[in-house]
Amino acid sequence: DAGVIQSPRHEVTEMGQEVTLRCKPISGHDYLFWYRQTMMRGLELLIYFNNNVPIDDSGMPEDRFSAKMPNASFSTLKIQPSEPRDSAVYFCASTTGQSGYTFGSGTRLTVV
Amino acid sequence: DQQVKQNSPSLSVQEGRISILNCDYTNSMFDYFLWYKKYPAEGPTFLISISSIKDKNEDGRFTVFLNKSAKHLSLHIVPSQPGDSAVYFCAASYNNNDMRFGAGTRLTVKP
Repeated sequence: DAGVIQSPRHEVTEMGQEVTLRCKPISGHDYLFWYRQTMMRGLELLIYFNNNVPIDDSGMPEDRFSAKMPNASFSTLKIQPSEPRDSAVYFCASTTGQSGYTFGSGTRLTVV
Repeated sequence: DQQVKQNSPSLSVQEGRISILNCDYTNSMFDYFLWYKKYPAEGPTFLISISSIKDKNEDGRFTVFLNKSAKHLSLHIVPSQPGDSAVYFCAASYNNNDMRFGAGTRLTVKP
């Protein structure tokens, strides 16, 4: 298994632009999570899905953030419009619900 | 609301000695606790876990201790090796959902 796959690995964009981060979870994993890592707050849970349905999005910072999971093998996290304070590493993780989480390698987002 | 706290941002130990990383939590509903290890430019990887029905779990050089009354857990690494240098995240969840992480502790093991 290739693990959790995230793309792109790095993204540099200008303030005000739309950014889309992508994630492919491990096949058979029913849960998918989006986390954001910053120096100050460590790993923050943004949103998670169970069987493609968003369960808890209380961690999504603002309406500028949205996430979708159109099918079991793909999820996106979109920021529109992006701001410099959104700069962080964004991780996607998946799990069967009976085991620990498997994380992707992350997307480093820089908004200038 | 930081439900999981790692109050030491960094720790430095000598190779061969014990490393002790600490973690506190506030939500008494948490029933599963994990430690993840993260190298630069990589995602966190699972290291060791413990259920709330236990107070100790050991895996080779790594031992996790849980003190439920104090809402505290710790990770012991003995003996520490330079390859253990990484950021360690403590995590807690209820029913294995909605895992919450601490801010991480950067461990440096000096040769």
